[in-house]
Amino acid sequence: DAKTTQPTSMDCAEGRAANLPCNHSTISGNEYVYWYRQIHSQGPQYIIHGLKNNETNEMASLIITEDRKSSTLILPHATLRDTAVYYCIVSTGRGSTLGRLYFGRGTQLTVWP
Amino acid sequence: KAGVTQTPRYLIKTRGQQVTLSCSPISGHRSVSWYQQTPGQGLQFLFEYFSETQRNKGNFPGRFSGRQFSNSRSEMNVSTLELGDSALYLCASSLVGADLNYGYTFGSGTRLTVV
Repeated sequence: DAKTTQPTSMDCAEGRAANLPCNHSTISGNEYVYWYRQIHSQGPQYIIHGLKNNETNEMASLIITEDRKSSTLILPHATLRDTAVYYCIVSTGRGSTLGRLYFGRGTQLTVWP
Repeated sequence: KAGVTQTPRYLIKTRGQQVTLSCSPISGHRSVSWYQQTPGQGLQFLFEYFSETQRNKGNFPGRFSGRQFSNSRSEMNVSTLELGDSALYLCASSLVGADLNYGYTFGSGTRLTVV
């Protein structure tokens, strides 16, 4: 079901930028790229989403390649509280995907002091 | 604004029993989705409700059911519990389902243990 590929785990030093890659080579033209994260034993938290253009909000930046086959989530100054599993999801949010998100295994990001 | 509220937070049931979990979405949100999370299968979609109608359903047996009330609150029910139903059950709400501006807001989940 999941149409994305992410590394299983990544490490990052506190205060440095964390760059989390995601491959979605079969993405279709009307599918958005969403990023969520899940801190241990909590519900997933929406981070950011985008279609074609790069996006930035108070939490992160999303860089989508021109061919849209991959993207990178950037946490500009990672803190210990950013340690979580990060999920990259592609979806139109319509039709058979209405109301549902396909979560893969995500990337376990560990931020160390 | 208040977030998505799930009750109870923890639950222990015996095999063969049934259980009902509750989810109160963010005020104004009309779409509620339910997910099951286990270490082996990860996050799996159960079903989605909008305006009291089930619009989408995942691949779970009929023992898993749900409903949504006129105030958008939702419940899910699992009958004839099995050990494998032990999981974290999460619900998420959004304005219309796939709210492209803000995504889905998840609750903290109900941890169900079947013994």
